Amino acid sequence: QSALTQPPSASGSPGQSVTISCTGTSSDVGGYNYVSWYQQRPGKAPKLMIYDVTKRPSGVPDRFSGSKSGNTASLTVSGLQADDEADYYCSSYAGSNTHYVFGTGTKVTVL
Amino acid sequence: QVQLVQSGAEVQKPGASVKVSCKASGYTFTGSFLHWIRQAPGQGLEWMAYIDPNSGGTGYAQKFQGRVTLTRDTSISTAYMELSRLTSDDTAVYYCTREECTPRCSKNFGNWGQGTLLTVSS
Repeated sequence: QSALTQPPSASGSPGQSVTISCTGTSSDVGGYNYVSWYQQRPGKAPKLMIYDVTKRPSGVPDRFSGSKSGNTASLTVSGLQADDEADYYCSSYAGSNTHYVFGTGTKVTVL
Repeated sequence: QVQLVQSGAEVQKPGASVKVSCKASGYTFTGSFLHWIRQAPGQGLEWMAYIDPNSGGTGYAQKFQGRVTLTRDTSISTAYMELSRLTSDDTAVYYCTREECTPRCSKNFGNWGQGTLLTVSS
């Protein structure tokens, strides 16, 4: 099972928005509404930011939003803050044989 | 609060095996799946396997079939991941993570352990 494809990097100035794409196939992203997004700061464990494509866990700012179209999911961070600088990974359920697949990861830089 | 506390860093030789533990607290141990996800230095996340602590049922990524064994001890709310026939490519941080399964399995990883660094070197 191949990893989901994400751009290696994305950047924006404070207050701007950045959108990260996550491209898979009809066997994972396109086949299930179980896409989640994780934020990982250096040396730390990942943190769940978005689940079920669009939902936010309690405590995650509403500046973070998710969407999906076909085989591509997206994470948008609005009103960028310095604290948003981190690596972001998407993940998708991929059925009972493959189970789960992660994206290649995107490093977000706040300029 | 939910906590997953993993065992400490390990250094192993090629060909050896390693067993990493993950002690859960703050929730009903048998009400959530536990997954193992690894991250090689400077690389991305890779899903390895999961265990249903209630039934002991497991699922493995094809890449790790036959080399990873997941077990659990419900009496002490602890899950274990054993990886055998180690090579230098297995050098990574190994995370245990929780997938809530009440009322239905959430299909995401809401809680993470602190990670266990495994170094495979001769």
